Amino acid sequence: GESVGLHLPTLSVQEGDNSIINCAYSNSASDYFIWYKQESGKGPQFIIDIRSNMDKRQGQRVTVLLNKTVKHLSLQIAATQPGDSAVYFCAEKNKAAGNKLTFGGGTRVLVKP
Amino acid sequence: GAVVSQHPSWVICKSGTSVKIECRSLDFQATTMFWYRQFPKQSLMLMATSNEGSKATYEQGVEKDKFLINHASLTLSTLTVTSAHPEDSSFYICSADITGHNTEAFFGQGTRLTVV
Repeated sequence: GESVGLHLPTLSVQEGDNSIINCAYSNSASDYFIWYKQESGKGPQFIIDIRSNMDKRQGQRVTVLLNKTVKHLSLQIAATQPGDSAVYFCAEKNKAAGNKLTFGGGTRVLVKP
Repeated sequence: GAVVSQHPSWVICKSGTSVKIECRSLDFQATTMFWYRQFPKQSLMLMATSNEGSKATYEQGVEKDKFLINHASLTLSTLTVTSAHPEDSSFYICSADITGHNTEAFFGQGTRLTVV
């Protein structure tokens, strides 16, 4: 079946450094991608999204890059802070599939002081 | 921003009993809501799509008679875990889409269910 996967299960990063989280997806029909942050015991929190007609989108300290050629999505966090420690999920949405979200496996980001 | 409220945030129940979890969209209408299940250190797995005024659509392998979903209004969906067993212990999360908008899904806070 279709899937969205991640390359790295855990990422340790020094406070102040930049973080890059990668995600591969397999459904070429996906037209909308979202990054979520999930802290322990809480629901996912929206970070940033990107549509398939774009290849880059920037938010506050975060940038999402989309490479449709290789079906790759990445999230860059600038100047990582302790509050960024969480699990990050990429998700893809496909209108043809009833707008269901398919989640990747997740990457845990640990920020070292 | 759009807010989804999920209740309760945690519940402990005895084996064989049923538990109802509520998911409410507080400031928007949600024709469609989704229910997920998440085991420790794993990703979210979609259980079912809840459609207002019609039957829910269940993912493969999810027992519809065990996980009853009711979406009676545009702001409320409920998930009832019937005859709960310890293996049903998990983190259950709902999300809602704003009707007519293809945007991000808004998630509830999650419900930690422990069956003893």
